[in-house]
Amino acid sequence: AQSVAQPEDQVNVAEGNPLTVKCTYSVSGNPYLFWYVQYPNRGLQFLLKYITGDNLVKGSYGFEAEFNKSQTSFHLKKPSALVSDSALYFCAVRTDSGGYQKVTFGTGTKLQVIP
Amino acid sequence: DAGITQSPRHKVTETGTPVTLRCHQTENHRYMYWYRQDPGHGLRLIHYSYGVKDTDKGEVSDGYSVSRSKTEDFLLTLESATSSQTSVYFCASSDRTTYEQYFGPGTRLTVT
Repeated sequence: AQSVAQPEDQVNVAEGNPLTVKCTYSVSGNPYLFWYVQYPNRGLQFLLKYITGDNLVKGSYGFEAEFNKSQTSFHLKKPSALVSDSALYFCAVRTDSGGYQKVTFGTGTKLQVIP
Repeated sequence: DAGITQSPRHKVTETGTPVTLRCHQTENHRYMYWYRQDPGHGLRLIHYSYGVKDTDKGEVSDGYSVSRSKTEDFLLTLESATSSQTSVYFCASSDRTTYEQYFGPGTRLTVT
């Protein structure tokens, strides 16, 4: 069975400071990893993904994530936080299951950027 | 949210009544999903579809059924709604080549 853990329900960071939102995963085989963002009263939006290749993945809105196989982590990062980054962030993992795409989501981390 | 819509966006219904939520996508994606979002649980998969008339259960499928008669439409039915099914429901779609999912705007369902 595959699983995703987001150990922090909420992360607070001052505007302009670097931010990190943590994610660890458990999966058999090679993971496909994703980050999504959800703004209030909206659906989730895709931010970035790791499938294979370079461990540092760059995505939308200046976000990046680092895949660390030994620590089974895929933390989301941004060098300088903006107030507009305040939202709910979800990490997700996918593996093939009988050839079908099944994705498991974490419980989400609320990011609050303080002006 | 471009390319995937859900209807209705809000619904209040009484316990024991049937409810159908509709998802429509214009991306010609093969895979479609229904999730529910509840505080403390994140997103949980209810059912998914891997093609027309091909569906399978997710982790919280009890009390729900789905149908997919066309590539673009994926229906979620609550046969007899219960208060525990009060939630926000999201539909998503994806194709095999890019893997990421595209989400609809959600349906807020309240069962009284």
